[in-house]
This record gives sequence, C-alpha cells and structure tokens, in this order.
Amino acid sequence: KAGVTQTPRYLIKTRGQQVTLSCSPISGHRSVSWYQQTPGQGLQFLFEYFSETQRNKGNFPGRFSGRQFSNSRSEMNVSTLELGDSALYLCASSLGQGAAPNEKLFFGSGTQLSVL
Amino acid sequence: GESVGLHLPTLSVQEGDNSIINCAYSNSASDYFIWYKQESGKGPQFIIDIRSNMDKRQGQRVTVLLNKTVKHLSLQIAATQPGDSAVYFCAENGGGFKTIFGAGTRLFVKA
Repeated sequence: KAGVTQTPRYLIKTRGQQVTLSCSPISGHRSVSWYQQTPGQGLQFLFEYFSETQRNKGNFPGRFSGRQFSNSRSEMNVSTLELGDSALYLCASSLGQGAAPNEKLFFGSGTQLSVL
Repeated sequence: GESVGLHLPTLSVQEGDNSIINCAYSNSASDYFIWYKQESGKGPQFIIDIRSNMDKRQGQRVTVLLNKTVKHLSLQIAATQPGDSAVYFCAENGGGFKTIFGAGTRLFVKA
C-alpha cells in the first residue's frame, strides 16, 4: 500500500505570493492532518480534516487554510507569504474512525517551503 | 495551554547501550500517547503507543512507560544501534482530533 504522498517536495516563493500544497493520504484513510515544522517551534498543528470537514484548527492566522476533497486528498494554502512561513509542511493521514481520536498518524515526507 | 515537552534536547549514547528519552505532558485529560522517530529528510514515523489505562508497553527493542501521577512518559531503546540515530518526539492526544507534539530529542549513537 502506498504511503502518504506530498507534492511538491521543495518550493521557493517570494514574500506576498501564495502557495498551495497537496497531500494524498494512504488508501482508505479518511482523516488528514497538517503540521508546520520549524527548528525553533517543532511540529505545530495546523488543521485536521475528515470527510471534507475541518474538525479542528490550530493557532495560525487566517492566511493558512485547507480543504479536503471527496477522495480524501487534501490541499493547504498559504496566502500573502511571509519570511516566517519558511518551514517543512507535513501531512499525516489516519483511518479517522468516527469519533475515536486515538489513532496513530502516518506522515508524508513533507514539502519544504522557502520564502525569500 | 496544552503542551508536551522533553527534558533533554540531545542525547548521546554508545552503540549497544540502552537509551532513555523522557517527556512531560501537561494535559491530565490526555488518554493516548505516541512516540515518533524522525530521520533526516523524512516525516515522523510511528514507533510505539500507549493508552492511559496502561503503565507500560513493550515493542521490539522499545518500551514506553507512562506515569500518570507525575504526567511523565519515557521511551526506552534497548541495545541502541547506529540506525536509531534520529529525532524522537513524544505526542499526546486528548481528543479534539488533534495530536500535540513535544519539542523533540535528538539521539546520537556513537559507534
């Protein structure tokens, strides 16, 4: 079974631009979570989606948004990029069994975003 | 707010020795804890998990201990190997469809 796939692997943007990152979960997984990873802040939770609905959101500005499609694939968007948005963006999937939150996450290799 | 932290940011051990990585959590309502391993250029990978109704769980060369009284979690790696060199994260899930990660501990294994 294929793992979590994130595209692109690397991305370079300039301040003020916007970016869209893509994530394909493991087949059969319906929950997708996004994290931002930086050396100084570690892994910070962005949001979680299940059946095209956002169930939780982290403490990030409104410039960060996401969505999930009917096939469970997910995208996240960052608008008006700032230098501080440079980070590794990780996507993780899990089965998403109803209301049971106790599931391990399966991560992709991430998208390394550099904002110049 | 919620937080999961680590006592030691780096740990250096000799190959063949046992490693212990510690973690403190603050949300007493958390009922599921996970350890992840992240190697360079990769996303975190699941190692072992434990639910709050357990104190100890063993896997292959790894053991997780949970002390709910002091809100402490530890990962023990037996006979540490060079391939164990990585960053280790403890993570916590108390509901709300959100897993919270600690800061991470970098493990160096000396040959």
